[in-house]
Amino acid sequence: AQSVTQLDSQVPVFEEAPVELRCNYSSSVSVYLFWYVQYPNQGLQLLLKYLSGSTLVKGINGFEAEFNKSQTSFHLRKPSVHISDTAEYFCAVSPIPAGTALIFGKGTTLSVSS
Amino acid sequence: DAGITQSPRHKVTETGTPVTLRCHQTENHRYMYWYRQDPGHGLRLIHYSYGVKDTDKGEVSDGYSVSRSKTEDFLLTLESATSSQTSVYFCAISEPVMFTEAFFGQGTRLTVV
Repeated sequence: AQSVTQLDSQVPVFEEAPVELRCNYSSSVSVYLFWYVQYPNQGLQLLLKYLSGSTLVKGINGFEAEFNKSQTSFHLRKPSVHISDTAEYFCAVSPIPAGTALIFGKGTTLSVSS
Repeated sequence: DAGITQSPRHKVTETGTPVTLRCHQTENHRYMYWYRQDPGHGLRLIHYSYGVKDTDKGEVSDGYSVSRSKTEDFLLTLESATSSQTSVYFCAISEPVMFTEAFFGQGTRLTVV
């Protein structure tokens, strides 16, 4: 079985500051890792994913994440946030091979203020 | 955006009434999923389907049933709605042969009064 823990439920930051949203996972098998973003009253949109290879993956809107196998973590980072990054962010895992359902963390609300 | 349409987008219903939510896709993806989203819980899997007439339970399946008679449609039924089923419901699709990620619909906000 898999589980995902997002260590911060809310992260308030000022515009142009860096941010890190933390995600740890637990799994007895190899997994794919994902970050999704949800803007208010919308569905989920894929931000980035880790499948294999380089442990640093880049996504849309200037976000990146680093896979750390020894620490079973997949933290999301952005060097300078904008007001428009205000949203809820979900970390998720899927066992390999893909095809079974994504397991989600409980989400982190990123609030960017000026 | 992936071709996923959820209907209705909003619904208010009374306790004890049956409710059916529909998810329609135009992508011909094999897998379809129903999740519910509640504050503090993230998204939790209700049921999923891996082909026509092939379905399985998820983490929070009690009180819900599903049907998939065509590749493109996945129905979620609340046989007798309860207030604890007030939630936002998301449909997702995936096709592991081509993609590793799932694509999500816009959600259905269901209120049971």
